Amino acid sequence: LPVLTQPPSASALLGASIKLTCTLSSDHSTYTIEWYQQRPGRSPQYIMKVKSDGSHSKGDGIPDRFMGSSSGADRYLTLSNLQSDDEAEYHCGESHTIDGQVGYVFGTGTKVTVL
Amino acid sequence: EVQLLESGGGLVQPGGSLRLSCAASGFTFSSYAMSWVRQAPGKGLEWVSTISGSGTTTYYADSVKGRFIISRDNSKNTLCLQMNSLRAEDTAVYYCAKDESGSGLSSFDYWGQGTLVTVSS
Repeated sequence: LPVLTQPPSASALLGASIKLTCTLSSDHSTYTIEWYQQRPGRSPQYIMKVKSDGSHSKGDGIPDRFMGSSSGADRYLTLSNLQSDDEAEYHCGESHTIDGQVGYVFGTGTKVTVL
Repeated sequence: EVQLLESGGGLVQPGGSLRLSCAASGFTFSSYAMSWVRQAPGKGLEWVSTISGSGTTTYYADSVKGRFIISRDNSKNTLCLQMNSLRAEDTAVYYCAKDESGSGLSSFDYWGQGTLVTVSS
């Protein structure tokens, strides 16, 4: 099964920028991933899709200060002008077909703290 | 506005059954695949199952295959998950999620508020 690796935590100052990383396993390094935000006690919210070429498409209502990019097997989510409301768990995920079996895998999530 | 409202969660003994429902509104329900995603207490997200917009194709995670059945009623805009032979490790908040695509499993662009399932004696 594919594996998505995320650091468990990250932090930055209010108003600063933060870059979150989701690393795909080597055999899935060209795959598209999605980013989701989950604020404490809330359900996840779709942020964007990030392709291997760095192009991305955002979900409804996602602000311009959320940007996606890519480098090799790494997919990034950059949050600019960090707000207190951005304090949340950020999950990446990937759909795949392996030996005819369709599935979806999530990373373990990165908890973002706004200082 | 897309709305997804889950119901049916609760406390059930190991080996028991439970049926979750998700009422959808704000979009053409039959045009989109729908999924269930769960989250055990303090843990990450785990995809459980997906059904195509027409209802003819279903996908399951290995952890629930043979025990859970996903279904939908497009005339009532309702998604269901029949959970049988429940285990302690099935304890989680279960989210209903709308897929971006109509046929396969793509990504989840809208989520419900979740319903808690607790499997315990």
